[in-house]
Amino acid sequence: DQQVKQNSPSLSVQEGRISILNCDYTNSMFDYFLWYKKYPAEGPTFLISISSIKDKNEDGRFTVFLNKSAKHLSLHIVPSQPGDSAVYFCAAGAQKLVFGQGTRLTINP
Amino acid sequence: EAEVAQSPRYKITEKSQAVAFWCDPISGHATLYWYRQILGQGPELLVQFQDESVVDDSQLPKDRFSAERLKGVDSTLKIQPAELGDSAMYLCASSFRRDGTEAFFGQGTRLTVV
Repeated sequence: DQQVKQNSPSLSVQEGRISILNCDYTNSMFDYFLWYKKYPAEGPTFLISISSIKDKNEDGRFTVFLNKSAKHLSLHIVPSQPGDSAVYFCAAGAQKLVFGQGTRLTINP
Repeated sequence: EAEVAQSPRYKITEKSQAVAFWCDPISGHATLYWYRQILGQGPELLVQFQDESVVDDSQLPKDRFSAERLKGVDSTLKIQPAELGDSAMYLCASSFRRDGTEAFFGQGTRLTVV
């Protein structure tokens, strides 16, 4: 039973355009959500988080949106840069984190 | 900048041998996690410590895996005996928050069992 799902294994975006990564969850008890970025052979790097009492959190080029009724969150990166190419994991938690399978984002010059 | 330290970065071991990983969390972080990440999947929690106490080890295969955090600071994860299916990236993370938000990860140990 996968509680956190990232249905797109990969995404390719032109440099300068918007990247939108999606994540769905099933457990309504989750009360905080995070996005991590991972380069090969490295550990995940924390990007941005949002608690269940908010529907949007912004940090520079990164914005996370939370739709609790749809149990859906998304990460927007604008403008996308080549250095954003990595695997992105969403995670949801209530005392512990449950991760999605990841989406590989490729930014094309 | 403070970071979670893990060693070794890479480990190759033969099946049935014992292997151990070490993690030093960010200073002051009471919560420590061990995750396992199989290629193509997201990290899966193995064990969670709050200070020196285990608060969740429901996904830890206790017949072969053990974890300890004796003084509530650094931690070791051991596998004995290792099996081919244990090949994965083992990630340690720590958080200053008890609810685990904003957990920071180390670079991981890539284990290959041959």
